[in-house]
Amino acid sequence: DIVMTQSPDSLAVSLGERATINCKSSQSVLYSSSNKNYLTWYRQKPGQPPELLIYWASTRQSGVPDRFSGSGSGTDFTLTISSLQSEDVAVYYCQQSYSPPWTFGQGTKVEI
Amino acid sequence: EVQLVESGGGLVQPGGSLRLSCVASGFTFSSYAMSWVRQAPGKGLEWVSSISVSGANTYFTDSVKGRFTISRDNSKNMLFLQINSLRVEDTALYYCAKGWLTTALFDSWGQGTLVTVSS
Repeated sequence: DIVMTQSPDSLAVSLGERATINCKSSQSVLYSSSNKNYLTWYRQKPGQPPELLIYWASTRQSGVPDRFSGSGSGTDFTLTISSLQSEDVAVYYCQQSYSPPWTFGQGTKVEI
Repeated sequence: EVQLVESGGGLVQPGGSLRLSCVASGFTFSSYAMSWVRQAPGKGLEWVSSISVSGANTYFTDSVKGRFTISRDNSKNMLFLQINSLRVEDTALYYCAKGWLTTALFDSWGQGTLVTVSS
């Protein structure tokens, strides 16, 4: 199984400041045939189901604000929130869809 | 607007069974893979099971193989999860999730149905 490890487990960021979350996979999630990284980011606000933010490691889902960006390739990935808003208080998860079982990171809690 | 509404959760004793359902609307259900993802109270997300568009291919996480069965009825826009031989560690909020681009890229989620396994 591919193990997804996020860091840090939690972070506190001031409104308007940058938040950076890291995700490391135990093996590469890059499909060489398509040159796509099968790495997805979700945001889960308190009491709500997760919502898709970023797929293919760096493609923003339709409707997601451009303050969210994803980067990385192979085994190391980053989610950046360029200017934290109050509605970004949430737990963020990375997930690999490269091979089953499709695994999530443990989550990173972002607070103000 | 995509809507996924789960039902069927409840309190059940260890060793018991439940059948979870998910009604889908707002998209062509028969064109997308579907999945169940669970979240134990206060914990992270865990993928449980997925099913292909036709239902011919199913996938399970190791801890539920042989106990859980996933199925779908494309004529009724419904997804099911039959869960047998329940264990305390199966206690969780079970989300129905729609696949997009790939089976395991979840672009829409329901609100979940709570399964509690306790004696």
